[in-house]
Amino acid sequence: KNQVEQSPQSLIILEGKNCTLQCNYTVSPFSNLRWYKQDTGRGPVSLTIMTFSENTKSNGRYTATLDADTKQSSLHITASQLSDSASYICVVSGNTPLVFGKGTRLSVIA
Amino acid sequence: DGGITQSPKYLFRKEGQNVTLSCEQNLNHDAMYWYRQDPGQGLRLIYYSQIVNDFQKGDIAEGYSVSREKKESFPLTVTSAQKNPTAFYLCASSIDRGGNEQFFGPGTRLTVL
Repeated sequence: KNQVEQSPQSLIILEGKNCTLQCNYTVSPFSNLRWYKQDTGRGPVSLTIMTFSENTKSNGRYTATLDADTKQSSLHITASQLSDSASYICVVSGNTPLVFGKGTRLSVIA
Repeated sequence: DGGITQSPKYLFRKEGQNVTLSCEQNLNHDAMYWYRQDPGQGLRLIYYSQIVNDFQKGDIAEGYSVSREKKESFPLTVTSAQKNPTAFYLCASSIDRGGNEQFFGPGTRLTVL
C-alpha cells in the first residue's frame, strides 16, 4: 500500500534553533517528493521538490534531503523564526494520485 | 494577479442542506482537484478533473458532486448524503494530471450545524 509517514507528529522549538522533520514513504514507482508548508487555515505552499536523482535541495533556510534507496526524506529548518510555525506536509508522486503525509505541526516560540 | 481562489472562506449550513463551494483558477491549468482535510489527517482526494467536461472520483467521493463546465472553474457540491461534512476543503490545480506541482487555494471551512 502506498503510504507516507511523517515524524514527529508535533514539535516545539525555541526561536533561532534548528530542527529536522522526517518523512518515510512506500510509494512505488517513485516520481518526485515535495515538502509543503501549510499555515493554519490556509492552503499548502510548495517549499521544495526532489526527483529520484536529487539528494538535496535548498530554499532559503529550508533544506530537504532525499535517500531514494531507503525511501526517506528530511526537511531541515535553520535558524527558525516565529513565522516558521506551521504544518509541514510531505507529498510523494508516483503512478497513482499524490500520496500525502499527515504532516508535522511545528511551533516556534520566543 | 494569477492564482487559485476559493469562496467563501467560512460556510455554515444546516443538516440536510446541499451547499456548493466555489473554486476558480486563472493559471490556465488543465487539472483541478478537491481535497478534504480533517484535524490530524492527511489530505484526502474527493474528486479530480483532467479536462473540461470530465472528472473522476477520488478516495472519498460519496456524498459529493462536481462539475467542470469551464477550464477555470471546478465547483464542489456537498450533498445531504455526506454524513460528516464538517471539514476544511481545499481546491488545487496543476498543469496536467502528472506529478507536476499542485497549487492550492486558501480553503473553505464548512461547518454543519
